[in-house]
Amino acid sequence: ETGVTQTPRHLVMGMTNKKSLKCEQHLGHNAMYWYKQSAKKPLELMFVYNFKEQTENNSVPSRFSPECPNSSHLFLHLHTLQPEDSALYLCASSQGLEGYNEQFFGPGTRLTVL
Amino acid sequence: GEDVEQSLFLSVREGDSSVINCTYTDSSSTYLYWYKQEPGAGLQLLTYIFSNMDMKQDQRLTVLLNKKDKHLSLRIADTQTGDSAIYFCAGGSSNDYKLSFGAGTTVTVRA
Repeated sequence: ETGVTQTPRHLVMGMTNKKSLKCEQHLGHNAMYWYKQSAKKPLELMFVYNFKEQTENNSVPSRFSPECPNSSHLFLHLHTLQPEDSALYLCASSQGLEGYNEQFFGPGTRLTVL
Repeated sequence: GEDVEQSLFLSVREGDSSVINCTYTDSSSTYLYWYKQEPGAGLQLLTYIFSNMDMKQDQRLTVLLNKKDKHLSLRIADTQTGDSAIYFCAGGSSNDYKLSFGAGTTVTVRA
């Protein structure tokens, strides 16, 4: 248990569906991250929030829409996804954005787009 | 961004030592990390080394850094079945949250 939880753990959706991924951290951290993990590829940073403000959008397609209502919760809203979006989506949090702050990862949501 | 490369697979017998290798391109990395990902779980920070160090030992784990060759390795002594996982190396700097990850090495421990 890292103190970062993600729901659902598995999600199968069609290309026309709308779904949301949820992340919650119980560590009192200020920064939260979304990463995409595809098989045998490096982790890709998608979005970063610090004190609820978005500080990074790493050229992510608009079919992925993040939301950070407070420092403890992070959502990723999904709509009209493509099969190539199938991957493990990892949430992480850290005390701050400085590089010496360890990032704590959740277990991920395994997403399959049909 | 930095390129980080590591071999994709490693098979090791239980009780032997495992050595996972990683090369990186950005010599300005301040920290070099090793993460472990067990099946169905997220990444867990195992250990890290500052770029001004050559070696760090932590129980069964030994990290070696060769800055001249931009080569990082993780040695696991007395490998156990619980060490079966994917291991990621990553580089980062002290003033930036961005981490450059390798693609991960899948370590399989056989009896």
